[in-house]
Amino acid sequence: QVQLQESGPGLVKPSETLSLTCTVSGGSISSYYWSWIRQPPGKGLEWIGYIYYSGSANYNPSLKSRVTMSVDTSKNQFSLKLSSVTAADTAVYFCARQRYSGSYYFDYWGQGTLVTVSS
Amino acid sequence: QSVLTQPPSVSAAPGQKVTISCSGSSSNIGNNYVSWYQHLPGTAPKLLIYDNNKRPSGIPDRFSGSKSGTSATLGITGLQTGDEADYYCGTWDSSLTTVVFGGGTKLTVL
Repeated sequence: QVQLQESGPGLVKPSETLSLTCTVSGGSISSYYWSWIRQPPGKGLEWIGYIYYSGSANYNPSLKSRVTMSVDTSKNQFSLKLSSVTAADTAVYFCARQRYSGSYYFDYWGQGTLVTVSS
Repeated sequence: QSVLTQPPSVSAAPGQKVTISCSGSSSNIGNNYVSWYQHLPGTAPKLLIYDNNKRPSGIPDRFSGSKSGTSATLGITGLQTGDEADYYCGTWDSSLTTVVFGGGTKLTVL
């Protein structure tokens, strides 16, 4: 059974960079797409983007200028960096395995980690 | 404001059936497959339906999905108290070039 676990600081100051890592266990990170999705308090889900195990990535156009994703196959991990954060970036951040079959969907998710942007 | 529109809440009695709607447009639901997720806050969301109506292994056939035009529907029969959760639809939007989700529907089993 594939399991994902997010890790990283729960508090980030405005204008700084949010950094999270997702560790994949129970399966290989290779040959799959891996995504980050967030949920601001009281709001719906927002897809941030995905990274392929080879390192190619695709980001949500609304966040593209601030997002960088990377993958470390030796550690079975992938990461998210979101720069110049504001209070609007406060959210629960989920990592997930992304699949494609007619459209994108997410078959395994982490439980999420709350990141608060505040001074 | 989410791109896909879901009712904020639905409710039904144990053992009954409930449907949750997801409305979109030709750039998303109208031309792409829909997936559905169950989420209990504090836990990992669970994939219930993909490709409009396919169930992953381990998802009981009480859960079903359908699509017509620019709308999709999740059906749950034989409701159990354990089904109380938030439910989200999702798909690709060809105009926005991003995955989009509905705002979520809170299911209450009375």
